[in-house]
Amino acid sequence: AQKITQTQPGMFVQEKEAVTLDCTYDTSDQSYGLFWYKQPSSGEMIFLIYQGSYDEQNATEGRYSLNFQKARKSANLVISASQLGDSAMYFCAMRGAGTYKYIFGTGTRLKVLA
Amino acid sequence: GAVVSQHPSWVICKSGTSVKIECRSLDFQATTMFWYRQFPKQSLMLMATSNEGSKATYEQGVEKDKFLINHASLTLSTLTVTSAHPEDSSFYICSASNPDSSNYGYTFGSGTRLTVV
Repeated sequence: AQKITQTQPGMFVQEKEAVTLDCTYDTSDQSYGLFWYKQPSSGEMIFLIYQGSYDEQNATEGRYSLNFQKARKSANLVISASQLGDSAMYFCAMRGAGTYKYIFGTGTRLKVLA
Repeated sequence: GAVVSQHPSWVICKSGTSVKIECRSLDFQATTMFWYRQFPKQSLMLMATSNEGSKATYEQGVEKDKFLINHASLTLSTLTVTSAHPEDSSFYICSASNPDSSNYGYTFGSGTRLTVV
C-alpha cells in the first residue's frame, strides 16, 4: 500500500530563514511522482514542485527545492529565504505509476514569524 | 497557465436540500477530474474520479447516491450533494489533469465551503 507521512503538524520559522518540511513515503512502485502543494487559509491548493522517482537531480523551483533521498524514501521540501506569505499548510503527495490518484500526507502548518 | 474555476466558493443550505458545485477547466480540456473532501485541519480525501462521458469512479465508503458526479463535457464536472445533512458540512475541492502541463501536477479549484444548517 502507498503511504505518505508528514510528522511535523506545525513549524515556525523566522522570516528570511530557510526551513525544511519533512515527508517520507512508502510504495512498491518503481515509477512514481512526488509533489508538494501549498494551501493558504483561503483553501486553494497551489502546486509547488515535482520530483520523479527516476530523476537523478533534486528538483528546484525558485525558493523551493526538494531534497530527494530515494534510499530513505524521503522527499523533504526546503523553502529558502522564508517570507510572511509562505505561512500556510503544506501537503506532500505521491502518485504511482499508471494511476491518476494522489495520496496526500496529513500536512504541515508553517508559520513565518516577522 | 492552467486554471480551474470552482463555484460557489461557499454555500449555506438547509438540511434536506441539494447543493450543486461546479468545476470548470478554463483554458484546457480535462478528460479526468477529481473531487476531494477536506475536514478542518485534515488532509484531502479523494471522493471520486470523474471521467468525461462516463460514470464516475467512487472511492470506498463514498455514497454514490448522496454525492452525484456528472462530467458532461471536457471542461465541466459537477458534484451534487443530495439531501444534505449537517455532517456533510465540509470543504470540497476539485482538481483536473492538464495533458499539456509540463509540471505533471494537477490544477486545483479554489474549493467550496459547504455548511448545512
